[in-house]
Amino acid sequence: SQQGEEDPQALSIQEGENATMNCSYKTSINNLQWYRQNSGRGLVHLILIRSNEREKHSGRLRVTLDTSKKSSSLLITASRAADTASYFCATDAPEYGNKLVFGAGTILRVKS
Amino acid sequence: GAVVSQHPSRVICKSGTSVKIECRSLDFQATTMFWYRQFPKQSLMLMATSNEGSKATYEQGVEKDKFLINHASLTLSTLTVTSAHPEDSSFYICSATPRAEYEQYFGPGTRLTVT
Repeated sequence: SQQGEEDPQALSIQEGENATMNCSYKTSINNLQWYRQNSGRGLVHLILIRSNEREKHSGRLRVTLDTSKKSSSLLITASRAADTASYFCATDAPEYGNKLVFGAGTILRVKS
Repeated sequence: GAVVSQHPSRVICKSGTSVKIECRSLDFQATTMFWYRQFPKQSLMLMATSNEGSKATYEQGVEKDKFLINHASLTLSTLTVTSAHPEDSSFYICSATPRAEYEQYFGPGTRLTVT
């Protein structure tokens, strides 16, 4: 299946530190998206990076995409306690009819 | 803009009863809506894709007679869990998109507990 793998599964850091999460996938994609989910809540769209883009920034977020390695990373700089959440990557791939396929997610805990 | 709502946010029902969950796009017309389920500490799994005015397309392993989906208008899709059982207890999330290959906007989710 296309379902991406994310690592680490869980990450615990101190407030102010940077957090890096990685996502790998299996087939060619149209785009890759990152979402945040607070416990028991819906998903918040963070950033979308297209297959022809290599890096994208949004505030404290930096996303990279390496299509040759079929991987992406999400960097959150200067983390805050409010960043504590689960983070998911999701791929939009022609092979899967442009449906979003979600990775397993990374649980991030930022300690204050 | 691009707000998607779900109702109810939480529902508890008895085994054997049916439950309807609504998904609405509030400020755009959604040609396509998606229904996902998420078990605790797990990722989202797509259940079905719903296009306005046509039958939903179900993912492999999802029973279409158990999870009835209706997408009667460009702003509303409903998921009915029929004859619910405790194993149907889960977090159900919908998303909506105004057109193909465009960003999906997610609802806040519905927590279903079947006793």
